[in-house]
Amino acid sequence: DQQVKQNSPSLSVQEGRISILNCDYTNSMFDYFLWYKKYPAEGPTFLISISSIKDKNEDGRFTVFLNKSAKHLSLHIVPSQPGDSAVYFCAAIPPGSARQLTFGSGTQLTVLP
Amino acid sequence: NAGVMQNPRHLVRRRGQEARLRCSPMKGHSHVYWYRQLPEEGLKFMVYLQKENIIDESGMPKERFSAEFPKEGPSILRIQQVVRGDSAAYFCASSQGGQYYGYTFGSGTRLTVV
Repeated sequence: DQQVKQNSPSLSVQEGRISILNCDYTNSMFDYFLWYKKYPAEGPTFLISISSIKDKNEDGRFTVFLNKSAKHLSLHIVPSQPGDSAVYFCAAIPPGSARQLTFGSGTQLTVLP
Repeated sequence: NAGVMQNPRHLVRRRGQEARLRCSPMKGHSHVYWYRQLPEEGLKFMVYLQKENIIDESGMPKERFSAEFPKEGPSILRIQQVVRGDSAAYFCASSQGGQYYGYTFGSGTRLTVV
């Protein structure tokens, strides 16, 4: 049972435009969400996170939005740059676990110059 | 580079052999986590360890898999009698503890079972 879903395996965006990556979850008890970026042959790198008590968190070009009623979060990258091309994973902290992350299957973002 | 070090980067094993994957956490980090990524899937939690203790192994297969984090030396993920389905990328992460965003992942070990 996939509790964290990223339904778009890939996304292409023109350089300078906005990239929007989406993530849905089924467990309403998740209380913390994270986005990771992964380049080929490297481990995932933490990007940005959001607590369930917030609906928005911003860090430079990256903003994460959380819609608890829809069990949906999204990552906005503005403006997109070619170096942003990578696989983006959404992850959530299950209830009762302080350490265990539940990951989505990832979205490959390609930013075209 | 003071990051999380995993070795080997690539490991090929024949069915029935043993695989040993090593992870040295970042300096000052005493919490280690192992994740597995099967092709076309996200990372799946396997086990969480502190020095000399397994804290949470709820994601570990019940048979053939074991993990340790001794007082001295790296954390080891051991897979006995490997099968083709064990072929995956295995990632280790470490943290000082306490903060979810404190995870730092290594570059992974890609295990191929032939």
